[in-house]
Amino acid sequence: EPEVTQTPSHQVTQMGQEVILRCVPISNHLYFYWYRQILGQKVEFLVSFYNNEISEKSEIFDDQFSVERPDGSNFTLKIRSTKLEDSAMYFCASGTGEMYKREQYFGPGTRLTVT
Amino acid sequence: AQKVTQAQTEISVVEKEDVTLDCVYETRDTTYYLFWYKQPPSGELVFLIRRNSFDEQNEISGRYSWNFQKSTSSFNFTITASQVVDSAVYFCALSDPTGANSKLTFGKGITLSVRP
Repeated sequence: EPEVTQTPSHQVTQMGQEVILRCVPISNHLYFYWYRQILGQKVEFLVSFYNNEISEKSEIFDDQFSVERPDGSNFTLKIRSTKLEDSAMYFCASGTGEMYKREQYFGPGTRLTVT
Repeated sequence: AQKVTQAQTEISVVEKEDVTLDCVYETRDTTYYLFWYKQPPSGELVFLIRRNSFDEQNEISGRYSWNFQKSTSSFNFTITASQVVDSAVYFCALSDPTGANSKLTFGKGITLSVRP
């Protein structure tokens, strides 16, 4: 069964450094998302992406964040200058967007630790 | 604005007990989608079920069943004869229909512990 994959599974970085989190969505999906989950808390929406542009972003997704689909398979989240409070699990998700089938399938997550 | 409330934070049961996880939602939309996701200790988010707002049929899948009640804005999840492998955090989520790329709004999750 197709699945969303994410790399790396764990990333440790120093405050102020840039990180790129990578995702390979399910191949026939058209809609892509990033969410984050601070330890022990709920899952929060960051951004949605369709047709090579951002469809919606949350207030968390400020200028330090960017997303890109550099080729036909990868979907990346870049955090330009990491802060301690960026430490969280970051989930990529994808969906078909089909009417009546709006579920999103999540990758295993990347745990980002900022020291 | 959309909101999902999972009032229960932690539930502990003994194996083979039935357990119901509650979910109450708020939305101004007349068409919307509800979901349950499971997050086992390994951390991934596993899609369990979607319910469209215009389909109020309850659903059963093996030991899992879902009760969608529009009148009370609830979408509750029951596990029958719970097993240790059911131990996980369960999230209820809501999606608005404004576009095919609409985001999911999650509740805070319910931590279910099933003891042998």
